[in-house]
Amino acid sequence: QTVVTQEPSLTVSPGGTVTLTCASSTGAVTSGYYPNWHQQKPGQAPRALIYSTSNKYSWTPARFSGSLLGGKAALTLSGVQPEDEAEYYCLLYYGGAQVFGGGTKLTVL
Amino acid sequence: EVQLVESGGGLVKPGGSLRLSCAASEFTLSNAWMNWVRQAPGKGLEWVGRIKTKTEGGTTDYAAPVKGRFTISRDDSKNTLFLQMNSLKTEDTAVYYCTTGAYEGVWGKGTTVTVSS
Repeated sequence: QTVVTQEPSLTVSPGGTVTLTCASSTGAVTSGYYPNWHQQKPGQAPRALIYSTSNKYSWTPARFSGSLLGGKAALTLSGVQPEDEAEYYCLLYYGGAQVFGGGTKLTVL
Repeated sequence: EVQLVESGGGLVKPGGSLRLSCAASEFTLSNAWMNWVRQAPGKGLEWVGRIKTKTEGGTTDYAAPVKGRFTISRDDSKNTLFLQMNSLKTEDTAVYYCTTGAYEGVWGKGTTVTVSS
């Protein structure tokens, strides 16, 4: 059974920078896993932020960026805003299947 | 604005069946791969399954926990996606979301399914 692992929680100060990572139990994450990132705030549906490692949607704030870092997918927030406090989920593609990570709860404090 | 609206959720007994629908507006469903994702109470997101476009064969893939019990289908003439859920278990209790493929990045607001006796 494939497992996708994220940091359970992270804390960042307003205006700071934070990097969330996403690892695969099958080995290094590459662009071939088409890493996606989604944001979910309490009581709301998720919202897509990043697709195929680093591509943004028209609604994705410029302070969000995606990359590959040390064999993992990464989501970096630069100049964090209070409204960025949320749960962040990565999603990896394994051929026909897709697997979400367990999520990272980001606290802005 | 592109919208996906799920419906059909409710309370069902273990072993029962339910059919969810996802209606798309300002978006042509026939051109997109579509997914169902669920979220159990207080838990993370879980991918349920995906259907390709008809021109790509309409192929479906499912997560292991639902394979053989759930079926995804599409009616492109009605711009609607479906999730037929049979042999429901208490652990299928969740909010069910329909989503487009990664390129479009659209999520519905979800519909709640509760499996309980």
